[in-house]
Amino acid sequence: ELKVEQNPLFLSMQEGKNYTIYCNYSTTSDRLYWYRQDPGKSLESLFVLLSNGAVKQEGRLMASLDTKARLSTLHITAAVHDLSATYFCAVDTYNFNKFYFGSGTKLNVKP
Amino acid sequence: NAGVTQTPKFRVLKTGQSMTLLCAQDMNHEYMYWYRQDPGMGLRLIHYSVGEGTTAKGEVPDGYNVSRLKKQNFLLGLESAAPSQTSVYFCASSLEGAGTGELFFGEGSRLTVL
Repeated sequence: ELKVEQNPLFLSMQEGKNYTIYCNYSTTSDRLYWYRQDPGKSLESLFVLLSNGAVKQEGRLMASLDTKARLSTLHITAAVHDLSATYFCAVDTYNFNKFYFGSGTKLNVKP
Repeated sequence: NAGVTQTPKFRVLKTGQSMTLLCAQDMNHEYMYWYRQDPGMGLRLIHYSVGEGTTAKGEVPDGYNVSRLKKQNFLLGLESAAPSQTSVYFCASSLEGAGTGELFFGEGSRLTVL
């Protein structure tokens, strides 16, 4: 069964700082997704990474995928309080489009 | 812009009661999923469907049943609720094949079993 591990699970940082969230997965997959969840809310799609070396950027967030290392990173640049949320990575399988989620990284950006 | 709609959004049950959660999507998606979310455990797949009339088990299917009689609807049933089924349930849908596989989520249904 595919395992997806995120670290750190909790991240408290000051505004203006940079940090990276890591997502490792255990089996071959070329598709990785990042989602954001605000407290009590649903999950919102942030990035879809569909091939090795894919890099996507939106505002202060940048996601990349290394399928050989089975690793994706979500880099936060000059964090702001509005980025406080829980971030999930997910990997899908070729078989019937099943998705497996990491445990999530709860980010708290202090003003 | 309805997207994925779940009903009900909140429900309290007593142990042994039954209930059904309804998920409806208006995007003509083939694939639909039911997940549960528990603190510190991310989302775990309960059941999924790859098209009308089909269903399959996910990671944690025990205690749940599902049906997909119409393409736009995916029902999750609890026949005899247990306190361990207290959770937030999310329905999601996605395109098949040529699509990115991106999941679109409903707002969630918070279930408490006493």
